[in-house]
Amino acid sequence: QKEVEQDPGPLSVPEGAIVSLNCTYSNSAFQYFMWYRQYSRKGPELLMYTYSSGNKEDGRFTAQVDKSSKYISLFIRDSQPSDSATYLCAIHDNNDMRFGAGTRLTVKP
Amino acid sequence: DAGVIQSPRHEVTEMGQEVTLRCKPISGHDYLFWYRQTMMRGLELLIYFNNNVPIDDSGMPEDRFSAKMPNASFSTLKIQPSEPRDSAVYFCASSDTSGGTLEQYFGPGTRLTVT
Repeated sequence: QKEVEQDPGPLSVPEGAIVSLNCTYSNSAFQYFMWYRQYSRKGPELLMYTYSSGNKEDGRFTAQVDKSSKYISLFIRDSQPSDSATYLCAIHDNNDMRFGAGTRLTVKP
Repeated sequence: DAGVIQSPRHEVTEMGQEVTLRCKPISGHDYLFWYRQTMMRGLELLIYFNNNVPIDDSGMPEDRFSAKMPNASFSTLKIQPSEPRDSAVYFCASSDTSGGTLEQYFGPGTRLTVT
């Protein structure tokens, strides 16, 4: 079993839709939970991270962590074509970072 | 700042040849990471340095891979001899002390094809 499981998609939605991206992880020792966005032919860029359980909001993006079920979510409101990218979740603890496989998202105008 | 710089952007080589990938981290950053990304295995950490010292190389797949950081502004990842299964996109990332290993800034990657 991989440390972080993420549905690779692809996921296609119309502009303006609410997007939900999800990951599960197996090791409860990890304390930080991140979301990276990767455009085609580019390196990943950190979108946001949360510590332990709870929600964190940044503009149209909301990250949610449920440590009891080992479930990580990213919600994108009012999705835009510019949000089309691959989204990677990652877990981090004590200098150890593990990434999910990434979900490819396309937002159609 | 120009961000993390990697060269070359693309590399095509034949099996058995030596390959050297280069990275210039963001100025002032004291952490440097090397990753490999493939469709099958996703993004994997190979090795990371702190203040030019290798801290964790447990992700380096085998002895054919080696990495060096001779100074704060330059690092190399070498594969000798290369094999077709090494074909992947190799990313370098850096971060500063405040971000540690948490907030990493990635370069554009080197797409390596070994035939």
